[in-house]
Amino acid sequence: DAGVIQSPRHEVTEMGQEVTLRCKPISGHNSLFWYRQTMMRGLELLIYFNNNVPIDDSGMPEDRFSAKMPNASFSTLKIQPSEPRDSAVYFCASSLVSGRAANEQFFGPGTRLTVL
Amino acid sequence: LAKTTQPISMDSYEGQEVNITCSHNNIATNDYITWYQQFPSQGPRFIIQGYKTKVTNEVASLFIPADRKSSTLSLPRVSLSDTAVYYCLVGDYNTDKLIFGTGTRLQVFP
Repeated sequence: DAGVIQSPRHEVTEMGQEVTLRCKPISGHNSLFWYRQTMMRGLELLIYFNNNVPIDDSGMPEDRFSAKMPNASFSTLKIQPSEPRDSAVYFCASSLVSGRAANEQFFGPGTRLTVL
Repeated sequence: LAKTTQPISMDSYEGQEVNITCSHNNIATNDYITWYQQFPSQGPRFIIQGYKTKVTNEVASLFIPADRKSSTLSLPRVSLSDTAVYYCLVGDYNTDKLIFGTGTRLQVFP
């Protein structure tokens, strides 16, 4: 298995533009997580899906952020409109077992987002 | 909601044992404790997970005292390649909320 795949690896955009980050989890995994990492705030959980259903989106910072998981092999995280403070590395992770939040998670390589 | 704190950094030499502690004073009854390793420009990688007492695998040990308000990751005989940032992660079984620790930057010297 290729592991968790994220695209793009790097994204540079201007304030106000829409940004879409993509994730393909490991085949057969039932849970998918989106995290954001910054120097100031560290690693933060944004949203978590079990079997394609959003379970906890309390970490999504604002209405500008939205996430979808239309099927078991694909998820998107969208920011519209983007702002400079959204600049961060965004990680997607998947795990085999659903419902056990602290189960072993496999992380993707991340998308480094820069909003000018 | 559980809060987790770790020392900012630690230094060690090759071949030594390193112990990194994470404080999670408000951990809920059902929280597991997981540790991850992160290299620059990579996503975190799972090291070990436990609920109580001691857990050991091929790369590390995890010690959890009876009150579960802290946990200690033990890396035996570190090498240069163990230079990385180490995070603890507390998950809540009922709410599924996850909180990463502040991270400990380990530097291993030859």
